[in-house]
Amino acid sequence: QVQLVQSGSELKKPGASMKVSCKASGYSFTSYAVNWVRQAPGQGLEWMGWINTNVGNSNYAQAFTGRSVFSLDTSVNTAYLQINNLKSEDTAVYYCARENQGSFDLWGRGTPVTVSS
Amino acid sequence: SYVLTQPPSVSVAPGKTARITCGGNNIGSKSVHWYQQKSGQAPVLVIFSAGDRPSGIPERFSGSNSGNTATLTISRVEAGDEADYYCHVWDLSSDHYVFGTGTKVTVL
Repeated sequence: QVQLVQSGSELKKPGASMKVSCKASGYSFTSYAVNWVRQAPGQGLEWMGWINTNVGNSNYAQAFTGRSVFSLDTSVNTAYLQINNLKSEDTAVYYCARENQGSFDLWGRGTPVTVSS
Repeated sequence: SYVLTQPPSVSVAPGKTARITCGGNNIGSKSVHWYQQKSGQAPVLVIFSAGDRPSGIPERFSGSNSGNTATLTISRVEAGDEADYYCHVWDLSSDHYVFGTGTKVTVL
């Protein structure tokens, strides 16, 4: 079955770090880039950036440069999103999505992250 | 940075046609994609490259793109079409993807 399975919800304190996983199955993982998308409560979709699953390079949206890090473990077909020094405004649902010729044709179910003291 | 503007809401009666616009500078030169997001769920691709449908998406969904406006059209609207809809493009100048502001479609 072609799918992206994300890790479960997270509750973190300000200043902590978090790492969300996105495991691909049913297709060739290294043939498609993985994108990350954030959705704050009651807000729209916000593109965070992508990681090239073949060579491992990344492209970050300006708002997510610095504290966000994309990484891979191709041995288990998994992409990761790490955010350091969490702030309350990082509270959101984080989605991974497969990029296919410019569109995002396959999405994970999302990982809710709450940052609160 | 490139901006995509959508109307916040569109209301439509069942069986009628809903049109959702996405405005952007010379968007007609870009490949536009559309996503449907129902409450509490992940987005789903409904239109790619302005007018193509992924398998499983009803023919009632169609798209067009010209000039400064792209449009998603939902014909014979059903209650199940009630959702938020987002347009999406790649901006070559910034080397970034951009989502539209989103439109909530309400079926009356």
